[in-house]
Amino acid sequence: EAQVTQNPRYLITVTGKKLTVTCSQNMNHEYMSWYRQDPGLGLRQIYYSMNVEVTDKGDVPEGYKVSRKEKRNFPLILESPSPNQTSLYFCASSLQGLAGTDTQYFGPGTRLTVL
Amino acid sequence: DAKTTQPPSMDCAEGRAANLPCNHSTISGNEYVYWYRQIHSQGPQYIIHGLKNNETNEMASLIITEDRKSSTLILPHATLRDTAVYYCIVRGYYNQGGKLIFGQGTELSVKP
Repeated sequence: EAQVTQNPRYLITVTGKKLTVTCSQNMNHEYMSWYRQDPGLGLRQIYYSMNVEVTDKGDVPEGYKVSRKEKRNFPLILESPSPNQTSLYFCASSLQGLAGTDTQYFGPGTRLTVL
Repeated sequence: DAKTTQPPSMDCAEGRAANLPCNHSTISGNEYVYWYRQIHSQGPQYIIHGLKNNETNEMASLIITEDRKSSTLILPHATLRDTAVYYCIVRGYYNQGGKLIFGQGTELSVKP
């Protein structure tokens, strides 16, 4: 089954404790992206990757890192989490990231709470 | 990418067609209209997209006006499982970062 998976699905942590949220897709997609969703603010893009070893900042990259060492995986790293990073996080992937030729598939989400 | 305007909420009776409108009066010629939905904090789900012509797939139909300034998503026989927030998104072919700009969407409630 074609899908985007995220782990963990739920995480409660404390300020400053480094964490990684994994994202994996099995569709051989070149494009992957991370969003966060907050009440009243909608979904906002954090980082994206057009292909392996190619990553770039989205609208809200501060406090986050990503890497794209292989096509299927795009982990989101919070080196020193803070309470304002408490949010619902979604990973997405698509064939090329271009409108009209492909659609973005989203993972199930990771609900992160930073105390 | 052009901005979209949608009603904040709508109700629909189960089994009836749900017609969700979207206004995108500033859309430009190379921008596509996409529809996604999000069921209670799950990952957004792609529904349909189009450029100029009307489109239909197994989930829904998309009607785009001739001037492309508005569109309507039609769920032909709404079920309780279609209760969700529906997002209309306009997206340029090479928009920076490939991102989808989700507005506030329309919260559709399908009632028995």
